[in-house]
Amino acid sequence: GQNIDQPTEMTATEGAIVQINCTYQTSGFNGLFWYQQHAGEAPTFLSYNVLDGLEEKGRFSSFLSRSKGYSYLLLKELQMKDSASYLCAVRDSNYQLIWGAGTKLIIKP
Amino acid sequence: IAGITQAPTSQILAAGRRMTLRCTQDMRHNAMYWYRQDLGLGLRLIHYSNTAGTTGKGEVPDGYSVSRANTDDFPLTLASAVPSQTSVYFCASSPGTSGNEQFFGPGTRLTVL
Repeated sequence: GQNIDQPTEMTATEGAIVQINCTYQTSGFNGLFWYQQHAGEAPTFLSYNVLDGLEEKGRFSSFLSRSKGYSYLLLKELQMKDSASYLCAVRDSNYQLIWGAGTKLIIKP
Repeated sequence: IAGITQAPTSQILAAGRRMTLRCTQDMRHNAMYWYRQDLGLGLRLIHYSNTAGTTGKGEVPDGYSVSRANTDDFPLTLASAVPSQTSVYFCASSPGTSGNEQFFGPGTRLTVL
């Protein structure tokens, strides 16, 4: 079967750095996405990785290792507005997205 | 309209009733999707459409139907609602099916009693 694993919840301090991990087992791989979802709102796109390595976009970076079936999202200089759920999704061989359950990130002052 | 809209925002429905959730996008995206999101579970794909006139089944299609008569609209119909269909429903679209991010509508919160 297909499976995306992420921690259920993480807590971090304002101004700090946090790394959210995602491991996956899917039928085929055509890219990995990270989305942010604030409570009661729609998911919004953060990053896309299709090749191994690190993609940096401002305070957010995403890393991919296809051989290990592993990705992480790195958030730097955390702000209170970063409190949200972070969703990992993998595009499989049918070009459909398989989604993890999301990681709820709690930022404390 | 800018982006994707969904209607209604929320709905309480009696079991056995028929319900259509509406989704409209103005970005001229080819691909559209319907997901449901339940607590503790990832988004699950119900149905999708890669282009106007075509539809396909996702992971959890039973009890749902869709149509794609034109590029902009992608309605989701529950023929006879059951309590297990209580969920938040998101419509999404993307320019194509490969390498593109999906853009999400604001969601419809549906409660079936």
